[in-house]
Amino acid sequence: GQSLEQPSEVTAVEGAIVQINCTYQTSGFYGLSWYQQHDGGAPTFLSYNALDGLEETGRFSSFLSRSDSYGYLLLQELQMKDSASYFCAVRDLSGGYQKVTFGTGTKLQVIP
Amino acid sequence: GAGVSQSPSNKVTEKGKDVELRCDPISGHTALYWYRQSLGQGLEFLIYFQGNSAPDKSGLPSDRFSAERTGGSVSTLTIQRTQQEDSAVYLCASSLGTPGTGPGGYTFGSGTRLTVV
Repeated sequence: GQSLEQPSEVTAVEGAIVQINCTYQTSGFYGLSWYQQHDGGAPTFLSYNALDGLEETGRFSSFLSRSDSYGYLLLQELQMKDSASYFCAVRDLSGGYQKVTFGTGTKLQVIP
Repeated sequence: GAGVSQSPSNKVTEKGKDVELRCDPISGHTALYWYRQSLGQGLEFLIYFQGNSAPDKSGLPSDRFSAERTGGSVSTLTIQRTQQEDSAVYLCASSLGTPGTGPGGYTFGSGTRLTVV
């Protein structure tokens, strides 16, 4: 089966940088995704890493180390609107087809 | 359509009644997923459709839960004899082909908030 671990809550100051870590255990790993969800809203896709290294998209970057079964989401120049929950999700092979399993989410609070 | 559409957005039902939740995925997306999210919790996988077939229904919590998909498009999640523990937000997502691949990943609908009283 699959399991993912990420911190439940993180607090950071507006304008700062924050890193949200995710470790996973799975077999047949294909890639790691990150999703953002504001309170009462739908999760929205942020990034996907299939290979080791850093992927940058504007203020957000995502990193993957397959050998360490570890990834992180890096948010720079934090804004108040970044306050949300962030989910890592692993895509792997399960039961003969690819499947995505979500972590329990990290609630990020950005303070002035 | 332009996005994943779910209806109703909110549903309050009495314990023991049956409910149907509807999901209309993005046109052309062959893969469709149902997830459940309890207050402040993560996303719990329920079922996955590829076309009209459900290769994985391992997440359905009990035989009170069922889902179908017709015409490779609209899906309906049915909960029979609802219980209070069924109260949650039910999210539907779709993707083009293999789940979660490509730059777009999953596209989620806004969900149906189900409250069983």
